[in-house]
This record gives sequence, structure tokens and C-alpha cells, in this order.
Amino acid sequence: EVQLVESGGGLVQPGGSLRLSCATSGFTFSDYWVNWVRQAPGRGLEWVANMKPDASEINYSDSVRGRFTISRDNAKKSLSLQMNSLRAEDSAVYYCARDGFTTNTFDYWGRGTPVTVSS
Amino acid sequence: IQLTQSPSSLSASVGDRVTITCRTSQTINGYLNWYQQKPGKPPKLLIYGGSTLQSGVPSRFSGVGSGTDFSLTISSLQPEDFATYYCQQSYVTSQLTFGGGTKVEI
Repeated sequence: EVQLVESGGGLVQPGGSLRLSCATSGFTFSDYWVNWVRQAPGRGLEWVANMKPDASEINYSDSVRGRFTISRDNAKKSLSLQMNSLRAEDSAVYYCARDGFTTNTFDYWGRGTPVTVSS
Repeated sequence: IQLTQSPSSLSASVGDRVTITCRTSQTINGYLNWYQQKPGKPPKLLIYGGSTLQSGVPSRFSGVGSGTDFSLTISSLQPEDFATYYCQQSYVTSQLTFGGGTKVEI
């Protein structure tokens, strides 16, 4: 069974940092693109970042580029998101999601981890 | 690429035929996906490539479209279909985007 489990969310002050993790199982992690997608309270979905299986290609949304860093450890089958210079508008539930066999199609998602940026 | 969904919400009854549209700001060669999300849950992939049903998704869901205009239809709304639906373009890997969502209510 494919599983993705996020952790690391919490309350952080504006300007602070947080590192999210996503542990995976049930599939060959090193074969798949992976993504972070977020959802602010009561709002829609926003794609944040993605990474190729061998980490040779990384992309970020304009809203987080330069502040967030996506990384992966294929040996540990895990994905991370380092978030720096956090702003109130970064408050959201953060989901990790796997690309399916069709490019840029999110076929499995974690349950999300909430991040609140507030003083 | 901007995605505009309409309507933003709708009210319907069990058994109704429901159609949600998604218009993109430029052509995306059919690279359009649809997701269903229920409160407190992650999204679930329904349709990819504009019209291909994801494994395990009931056949009452269908997708059509080309160019910049796409739609998701639920042929006979069931109680478990009340949720929010999102379209997503998968054409540009470096800038993936979602529509604003359509909430289907009783």
C-alpha cells in the first residue's frame, strides 16, 4: 500500500524557519517525481515545489522561490521541505504528493501537516 | 497558466447531472486533471489527461475538453459526491497550477 506521511508542522513566528518531512512506503520512491502542495485555511490548493527522481530538476512556485528548499533522500525514501523567512501567508496545511505515471499528476497524497505562522 | 473554474459553488440533489467547467489562460494540450476533496482530507485524483478515469473512480465521473476549455461531469450525483472539485494543469512542470475550486453542496 502506497503511503506518504508528513510531519514537522507547527506554530512559528514570522521570519522563522521550519522543516517538514514526508516519509513514504509501498512504492519505489527513487522512481517518482515528488511534490509539496499547500492549502491555506478555507482556501484552494497551491502547488509549492517538485523534484525529479534523481534531484537533477527542481521547481518552485513564485511565492516560495528563494525561501523554501525541497530535498529528497532516496535511500531513506523521504522528502523534505525547508521553509525559511516564513510569512503569515505561508500558513497552510502542507501535503506531500507523488507524481503518478502521468507527468505532474498527483496520484497519492499524504494527510498533510499544518503550519501556522503567527506572533 | 491561470485556471478559472465555474461555478465556484453549486447546489444539487442526489440523482442530478452536474457539470463543472475549467478554462485555462492558454492551451495545455489536454494536460488537465480533476481532483475531489472532502473536508479534512487530502485531494483524490479523479481524472487525468482531460478524460482518463483514474483506477477505482466510478464511471459516473467523466471529463472532456481540449484547447482551453474543459469540463467535469457527474452523471448522477450520489451522496458521497458532495465535496469540492479542483482542476489542475499538468502541462508546465515548472509552474503547476490549480483552479479555484467548485464546492458541490446539497
